Amino acid sequence: EIVMTQSPATLSVSPGERATLSCRASQSVSSNLAWYQQKPGQAPRLLIYGASTRATGIPARFSGSGSGTEFTLTISSLQSEDFAVYYCQQYNNWPQAFGQGTKLEIK
Amino acid sequence: EVQLVESGGGLVQPGGSLRLSCAASGFTFSSYAMSWVRQAPGKGLEWVSAISGSGGSTYYADSVKGRFTISRDNSKNTLYLQMNSLRAEDTAVYYCGGIENYYYYYMDVWGKGTTVTVSS
Repeated sequence: EIVMTQSPATLSVSPGERATLSCRASQSVSSNLAWYQQKPGQAPRLLIYGASTRATGIPARFSGSGSGTEFTLTISSLQSEDFAVYYCQQYNNWPQAFGQGTKLEIK
Repeated sequence: EVQLVESGGGLVQPGGSLRLSCAASGFTFSSYAMSWVRQAPGKGLEWVSAISGSGGSTYYADSVKGRFTISRDNSKNTLYLQMNSLRAEDTAVYYCGGIENYYYYYMDVWGKGTTVTVSS
């Protein structure tokens, strides 16, 4: 079973600044990695799939990179609506697994 | 409009059963691999189960294997999750999600969730 580990647990960033979130897999998941954003009381929203492909309608300030076991989600210039919890998910192997999440908060 | 609507949640005693439904509209349901994901109060997302578009392949988390059964009725555009032998730790919001992809089961469409509470 693959374990996904996200860091940091909480990230404090000022609006307009860059945020970098990390996700590590306990074994290679190739590029089969997705990122989701979740706001309080809402369902998750797909941001990135295939480690680096933005989902439909996702702004260009969101970018994903990495392969194998190390992945990064970068938000280039934080907007107020970006403060939320972010999860990575591996879908390369069964059972699938999510990371524990990174809470992005306003500094 | 692409839409998923979950139903069937509620309060159930430990050891009891519940069946969740997820009604799909606005897309070709049989082309979508579907999944259930849950979120315990104040916790992160946990993948629960997935099923192929045809229903011929099913997958489960170890935490629910042997107790939960995922199924679908493509004629009714509906996904199900039969939950038996429920435990307190199954208490969560249950989301259904899907993707139009034969091989990779991430989720680009999500429902709003239904709440399951297991308590005596």
